[in-house]
Amino acid sequence: DAGVIQSPRHEVTEMGQEVTLRCKPISGHDYLFWYRQTMMRGLELLIYFNNNVPIDDSGMPEDRFSAKMPNASFSTLKIQPSEPRDSAVYFCASSLRGGRDTEAFFGQGTRLTVV
Amino acid sequence: DAKTTQPPSMDCAEGRAANLPCNHSTISGNEYVYWYRQIHSQGPQYIIHGLKNNETNEMASLIITEDRKSSTLILPHATLRDTAVYYCIVRVSYSGGGADGLTFGKGTHLIIQP
Repeated sequence: DAGVIQSPRHEVTEMGQEVTLRCKPISGHDYLFWYRQTMMRGLELLIYFNNNVPIDDSGMPEDRFSAKMPNASFSTLKIQPSEPRDSAVYFCASSLRGGRDTEAFFGQGTRLTVV
Repeated sequence: DAKTTQPPSMDCAEGRAANLPCNHSTISGNEYVYWYRQIHSQGPQYIIHGLKNNETNEMASLIITEDRKSSTLILPHATLRDTAVYYCIVRVSYSGGGADGLTFGKGTHLIIQP
């Protein structure tokens, strides 16, 4: 298996533009997580899905952020409009189950820079 | 949520065993201890997890004290490629029957010296 695949690896955009980050989880995994990492705040959970349904989006910073999972093999995280403070590395992860004894597999991340 | 405490940084000589401590004194009886690491510019990587018994896999060993208030991750023969930030995480409880994501702290920056 190729693991969790994220695209693009790097994104540079201007403030106010819409940004879409993409994730392909590992086939057969029921859970998908979006994380954000910054120097100041470390790794933070933004939202997670179970069987394509959003379960907990309490970590989503504000209404400018939205996430979808139209099918089991694809998810997007959209920022509209983007702001410089959104600059971060965004990670997607998936796991087979959601239980406390289940490991999560992370993608390589998308480094977003908003100028 | 149970909190974890780790030293911010550690050094270890290449070829020696690296022992990374973690305190989790408020851990609940049904919470697991997880270890992940993050090599520079990569996504976090799962290492090992355990509940109460010691665990070993091809990457590392996990030693959990009998009272479960602390644990140690052991990399038996550290190499330069083991230089990374190591996160000790206590998996939070279920909420509404679903899962919760991992709560990452600041971790320990392990530097393997040649």
